[in-house]
Amino acid sequence: DTAVSQTPKYLVTQMGNDKSIKCEQNLGHDTMYWYKQDSKKFLKIMFSYNNKELIINETVPNRFSPKSPDKAHLNLHINSLELGDSAVYFCASSWKSSGQETQYFGPGTRLLVL
Amino acid sequence: AQSVTQLGSHVSVSEGALVLLRCNYSSSVPPYLFWYVQYPNQGLQLLLKYTSAATLVKGINGFEAEFKKSETSFHLTKPSAHMSDAAEYFCAVSGYNTDKLIFGTGTRLQVFP
Repeated sequence: DTAVSQTPKYLVTQMGNDKSIKCEQNLGHDTMYWYKQDSKKFLKIMFSYNNKELIINETVPNRFSPKSPDKAHLNLHINSLELGDSAVYFCASSWKSSGQETQYFGPGTRLLVL
Repeated sequence: AQSVTQLGSHVSVSEGALVLLRCNYSSSVPPYLFWYVQYPNQGLQLLLKYTSAATLVKGINGFEAEFKKSETSFHLTKPSAHMSDAAEYFCAVSGYNTDKLIFGTGTRLQVFP
């Protein structure tokens, strides 16, 4: 009965490959997010979706493409992986797209690009 | 524009001592402020948040924070540290017109016996 789940937990891949990370929330939330945490633990938002619609799209390379098939899922596809993409990627969700809403985070996906 | 500054990337305290983690914010709109905790190899968990109600906010695990507009601060405190409090703590800000959470750089809390 995990609230926000991500798969896989660990991902090791070669430069140039394409990979996807999946996220699912069973909280009934309308809004989902992707964050990137770098090696210095700095967290930065990448995208947010509200009811399957893209709301926030930070200055992320277009090699990163989020997809929301329904409001309980937000997947992240990464093309042509680069060394600098190595990081921990967190999915999060909240009731609605509002600044005061609590965001609930998944356990993270640790991506290592070799 | 919004930003958060966490003073001190590392804080060490003895078990039973006061915990004080500092956070200062900058915001062009009335801010909403959050403290999240991250245990090793885990996701972030909300400790507490300020959303323009009471300025003294109580959270989980005995933590509390006080919103001080005049000082643009939202420092996190706990009267008595436990070994289990050792973790990374993040302060974050958003606003009424955005749900984009802007995080600080984090403070690692170490608790010594």
